[in-house]
Amino acid sequence: AQSVAQPEDQVNVAEGNPLTVKCTYSVSGNPYLFWYVQYPNRGLQFLLKYITGDNLVKGSYGFEAEFNKSQTSFHLKKPSALVSDSALYFCAVRDSGNTPLVFGKGTRLSVIA
Amino acid sequence: DTAVSQTPKYLVTQMGNDKSIKCEQNLGHDTMYWYKQDSKKFLKIMFSYNNKELIINETVPNRFSPKSPDKAHLNLHINSLELGDSAVYFCASSQGGGSSEQFFGPGTRLTVL
Repeated sequence: AQSVAQPEDQVNVAEGNPLTVKCTYSVSGNPYLFWYVQYPNRGLQFLLKYITGDNLVKGSYGFEAEFNKSQTSFHLKKPSALVSDSALYFCAVRDSGNTPLVFGKGTRLSVIA
Repeated sequence: DTAVSQTPKYLVTQMGNDKSIKCEQNLGHDTMYWYKQDSKKFLKIMFSYNNKELIINETVPNRFSPKSPDKAHLNLHINSLELGDSAVYFCASSQGGGSSEQFFGPGTRLTVL
């Protein structure tokens, strides 16, 4: 069965500094990996995904993520954080077929001005 | 132009009542989902439909019954509501499964008193 771990409940970063939100995964086959963001009282919004190909994936709002097969990681990054990036971030994984998308427990990002 | 909409946004009801939540998507997607997000923000899939056919049914009490009258709609009916059903319920849709990203509705906050 697939699983996702987001080891940090909270990440604090100063505005303008680079940010990293960590994610590791476990699947039996090749993974499909996703990052979503949730703002207060809103639904989840898709940021980016890794299916195959280049290990560095670029997504919305300047976010990117690096797929590392040997470390089974898919960390979310942004070179320069904005206060408006403050939100709850979810990593998710599924394998091929109709298996459910499994979400991590979420990491709350707080960007301080 | 709302992509995935849910009604109602808030639902407050007494234990033992029966209630329904409606979901509609105008993206032309063929797959729809129901998720439950608990008070700790943990997100878990409940059901998935593809072209009106049930394809994922996680370990959800049979008091929960999804119904998909057509590809654009997936409703959730809950019988005999319990305190533990209090949560935010999200509808989502995608074009196929696997590598496709999901688009989420704004959520329905259910409070059972």
